[in-house]
Amino acid sequence: GEDVEQSLFLSVREGDSSVINCTYTDSSSTYLYWYKQEPGAGLQLLTYIFSNMDMKQDQRLTVLLNKKDKHLSLRIADTQTGDSAIYFCAEIAHTGTASKLTFGTGTRLQVTL
Amino acid sequence: DVKVTQSSRYLVKRTGEKVFLECVQDMDHENMFWYRQDPGLGLRLIYFSYDVKMKEKGDIPEGYSVSREKKERFSLILESASTNQTSMYLCASSLLAGGPNEQFFGPGTRLTVL
Repeated sequence: GEDVEQSLFLSVREGDSSVINCTYTDSSSTYLYWYKQEPGAGLQLLTYIFSNMDMKQDQRLTVLLNKKDKHLSLRIADTQTGDSAIYFCAEIAHTGTASKLTFGTGTRLQVTL
Repeated sequence: DVKVTQSSRYLVKRTGEKVFLECVQDMDHENMFWYRQDPGLGLRLIYFSYDVKMKEKGDIPEGYSVSREKKERFSLILESASTNQTSMYLCASSLLAGGPNEQFFGPGTRLTVL
């Protein structure tokens, strides 16, 4: 079955770059995702990448995809205290009836002053 | 804006009680999902539904059931709550197919079973 793995915790200083890594197993995933969960809230889609892309940039966010190694990363430039949250990567599987996401364990990003 | 609402933010129940968690979405989405979130385990899919009265088991359906009588509402039922069902429960919805299939999440219900 699918298994998505992430490290559990990352601490960075404000203004530095953060890199959150993820490995996944389902090579047939058409999209891979990064969701953000702020304290006391549900998840919100941060960005996604189509599987035929290597990189996607969106303002301070850069997503890198290495399909050969099944490795996904999220880089946040100029990390701010408001970026403190749990970040989940996810892969999609298309069943006959619906598209299901498999989430990683989540990486808690702590931004220090 | 898509809005997914959950009936309670916090719930405390006793072992053996029947528990209902309600989720409502207002964007006419076909798909609805129930997850539980536990530290170090991420989100795990309990059940999902792709249409009214249709449901499919996720990865951890044991001890749970669901009901979808109307398109906008998806209920999670714990027939006889147990302490190992203490968790954060998240509901989500998405369009049926096409594109990146973004899932929209509710704020979660933190359930404690004593």
